[in-house]
Formats: sequence, structure tokens, C-alpha cells
Amino acid sequence: DGGITQSPKYLFRKEGQNVTLSCEQNLNHDAMYWYRQDPGQGLRLIYYSQIVNDFQKGDIAEGYSVSREKKESFPLTVTSAQKNPTAFYLCASTMTSGTTDTQYFGPGTRLTVL
Amino acid sequence: AQSVTQLDSQVPVFEEAPVELRCNYSSSVSVYLFWYVQYPNQGLQLLLKYLSGSTLVKGINGFEAEFNKSQTSFHLRKPSVHISDTAEYFCAVSDPRDSNYQLIWGAGTKLIIKP
Repeated sequence: DGGITQSPKYLFRKEGQNVTLSCEQNLNHDAMYWYRQDPGQGLRLIYYSQIVNDFQKGDIAEGYSVSREKKESFPLTVTSAQKNPTAFYLCASTMTSGTTDTQYFGPGTRLTVL
Repeated sequence: AQSVTQLDSQVPVFEEAPVELRCNYSSSVSVYLFWYVQYPNQGLQLLLKYLSGSTLVKGINGFEAEFNKSQTSFHLRKPSVHISDTAEYFCAVSDPRDSNYQLIWGAGTKLIIKP
């Protein structure tokens, strides 16, 4: 089955710790995205990547970092500099050829800071 | 800059009744339009999309949406809802000229089905 996987589903972090959220896709999509979701605020873009070894900041990149060493993988690190990291994190991907911008989503990771 | 407004944060409706979830966008150029559904603690799933052509778009689970260019709206409708439609619904737009393939998101509307 093709799709996007995110792990873990639930993640707990102590204050001051860095944590890394995994996102893997086997859809052969070029572009990948990380969103943060908070109640009542919709989705906010953290980082995105169009091609391997290249990525750009989204609207709320402060306190986060990413890498794109392989086409199928786009891990997100939530650093200790992120002051309010408790949220639901969603990874998405899309083709960059063709005429549509349909983004496909993973199941999400819920991060809670203790 | 483009923006998306979902006018209702919550819409309660009785089971088997019709429902309309409203979405308005601000853009002076052609756009692609999307509706996604999110069930509790899950990712988002595409319901339907408008790229061009017929302004009435049919999607999964019996939903449909109508693109109205003059009113810059893309409202989502279902003639008879079921308890399983309880979810949050997100409207999104993109600019076909955007080489970053970014989506601009509304804040979401929670559909609450009353038995």
C-alpha cells in the first residue's frame, strides 16, 4: 500500500529536550510538508521541501528543524527553543509535476510536553 | 495575499438532515479549491477538489461543493448526514502559479451530528 507514515503516534517530552518526529512516504512524491495543528487554528506550515537536500521555512519555523537526505523521508526535530510545542503534527506530500496540488497526509503525531 | 474564511467554527445538525459548510476565499486570480475531512486524532483526507470545468464537484461520502467565482465561495453540502460524518472539515486554496505548491487553509468547521 502506498501512503505516508508518521511515528510515533504519541510522544511525550520533558521540557528542555529535543525530539524528532518521523515522516516517511512511498508515493514517490517530490514535495513534503510539516504542519502544526492547534485547536481552532487550522493548519500552520512549519517547513517544506521540494527536493532532496533543500527545504524552506514556513510560517512558524522558529524552534523547529528538518532534513531531507532522502526523497521518501522528512523528519522534523522539535528543539528546546520551541516554547510551546504541545500540538498535533501532520506531515504531507505532493507531486510537483502535473496540474494538481493535492496534498496527502499522514496520520499525525501528538506531542505533549510534560 | 490569499486567505480562506470558514464562517462557522461548529455546525450542529440532526442526523439525516441536510448540511452546508461555508468557505470563502480572497483572491483575484484563478485558484484551485479543496475540502479535506479530519476524523478525531487522524490525518486529513481529501473529500473533493475543484481545478477547472464544471462548478459543481462531487466527492466521497456523498459530499459535493459548488464553486462560485463571483462570490469567491466554495461551500460544501450533503443532502443527508450520518453520524459517521462527525468530523472537522477544512477548506483550502492554492494558486496554480505557485511553484511551492502551498495550500492556504481555513480554520476548520466541526460538524456535530445530533441523533
